[in-house]
Amino acid sequence: DSGVTQTPKHLITATGQRVTLRCSPRSGDLSVYWYQQSLDQGLQFLIQYYNGEERAKGNILERFSAQQFPDLHSELNLSSLELGDSALYFCASSGGSASLYEQYFGPGTRLTVT
Amino acid sequence: KNEVEQSPQNLTAQEGEFITINCSYSVGISALHWLQQHPGGGIVSLFMLSSGKKKHGRLIATINIQEKHSSLHITASHPRDSAVYICAVRANEKLTFGTGTRLTIIP
Repeated sequence: DSGVTQTPKHLITATGQRVTLRCSPRSGDLSVYWYQQSLDQGLQFLIQYYNGEERAKGNILERFSAQQFPDLHSELNLSSLELGDSALYFCASSGGSASLYEQYFGPGTRLTVT
Repeated sequence: KNEVEQSPQNLTAQEGEFITINCSYSVGISALHWLQQHPGGGIVSLFMLSSGKKKHGRLIATINIQEKHSSLHITASHPRDSAVYICAVRANEKLTFGTGTRLTIIP
């Protein structure tokens, strides 16, 4: 158990809908990262937050947004969902913002768009 | 060409064999991660390296910064080592992932 929690575990929704994925980092970790793992693209970095501020951005679509709250939990919002958004979404946390810190992964949320 | 290349893509070995998985990258990095993903989907971070060598139990990871190459070794492999092993490099605060090596250890 990494100490990172993600909810929900599974989510099935229809095209055009909007969903919110939630992540709680390990106690004391200030950074949260979001990743998408799809069958055709593999693992991709989406976005990083550090202590409430956006720190780095990867291949995140404009239909997706994220935020980190004062209690350090983070939410990833996916809107106008398309079939291609079906994937595993992982969040990870680390103690700091820099590359010196190891990342701990949550169990993932499996999103299926029908 | 992908920034991170792993080889082999698939590897099947007998229990007890010495396993090597390779990772080559093309950009300057601040760190390299080795991750393990089990069939259930969960990801575990095995190592984070910026130089030299690290060992944890039967697992050893090495990195050669000049040659932009890293290897993950498993000694005395066991069926429970069966998983996908993923190399990821950190540059500009972003992780870029390899496509993974699917390892199957046969009893």
